[in-house]
Amino acid sequence: AQKVTQAQTEISVVEKEDVTLDCVYETRDTTYYLFWYKQPPSGELVFLIRRNSFDEQNEISGRYSWNFQKSTSSFNFTITASQVVDSAVYFCALTRGEGNEKLTFGTGTRLTIIP
Amino acid sequence: SQTIHQWPATLVQPVGSPLSLECTVEGTSNPNLYWYRQAAGRGLQLLFYSVGIGQISSEVPQNLSASRPQDRQFILSSKKLLLSDSGFYLCAWSVPPETQPQHFGDGTRLSIL
Repeated sequence: AQKVTQAQTEISVVEKEDVTLDCVYETRDTTYYLFWYKQPPSGELVFLIRRNSFDEQNEISGRYSWNFQKSTSSFNFTITASQVVDSAVYFCALTRGEGNEKLTFGTGTRLTIIP
Repeated sequence: SQTIHQWPATLVQPVGSPLSLECTVEGTSNPNLYWYRQAAGRGLQLLFYSVGIGQISSEVPQNLSASRPQDRQFILSSKKLLLSDSGFYLCAWSVPPETQPQHFGDGTRLSIL
C-alpha cells in the first residue's frame, strides 16, 4: 500500500524567511510519481510539481525548490524568501506510474506567513 | 485550454435530504474524472474515479454514489445525507494514458444540518 506522511501539521514563519515542508512516502512500486499541490484559502488545489521516481535531480522554480531523495523516501519542498501569498495548505501526493493515476495524498501542512 | 467547472460552490442541506453535485470538464476528451472529499483539518480522500462513460470505481464504502452520464460530466449523489457527509468536495480530471497531474475544480463546501 502507498502512504504519504506530512508530519508538520502547521508551520508559521515571518515573511522573507525560508521554510521547508517535509514529505515522506512509502511505496513498493519501482515506478511512481510524486506531486506537490497548493491549496490557498479559496479552496482549489493548484498543481506545483510532478517528479518521477527515476529523476532524482533537485528542481528549482523561482522561490520554490524540491529535494527528492530516494534513499530516505523524501520529497521536501522549500520556499525561499517567503511571502504572505505563500500562505496555504500544501499537499504532497504519490501515484503509481503504470497508468493507475489514483493519487494518495498526505494530510497537508498549513503554512502561515506572518507579515 | 481545458477548464473544469464544479457547482454549487456552497451548499447547506438538512440530514436525510438528497444531494447532487455536478462537475464538467471542457477542452478535453475522455478524461479520467475524480471526486475527492476533504474533511475539516484533514487531507483529501478519493471517493470515486471514472475512466469512461458509465465506468465508476468506488474507493470507500459510503452512502454516496457517482455517475458519469456523459464523457465530460461527473455527478456525485446521495439519496439521504448524513452529518458525516459534511466537507469540502473536489472534482478533478486527468488525461490518460500517462500519469499526469490532476487538475482540480474550485470545490463545493457542503454543510449538513
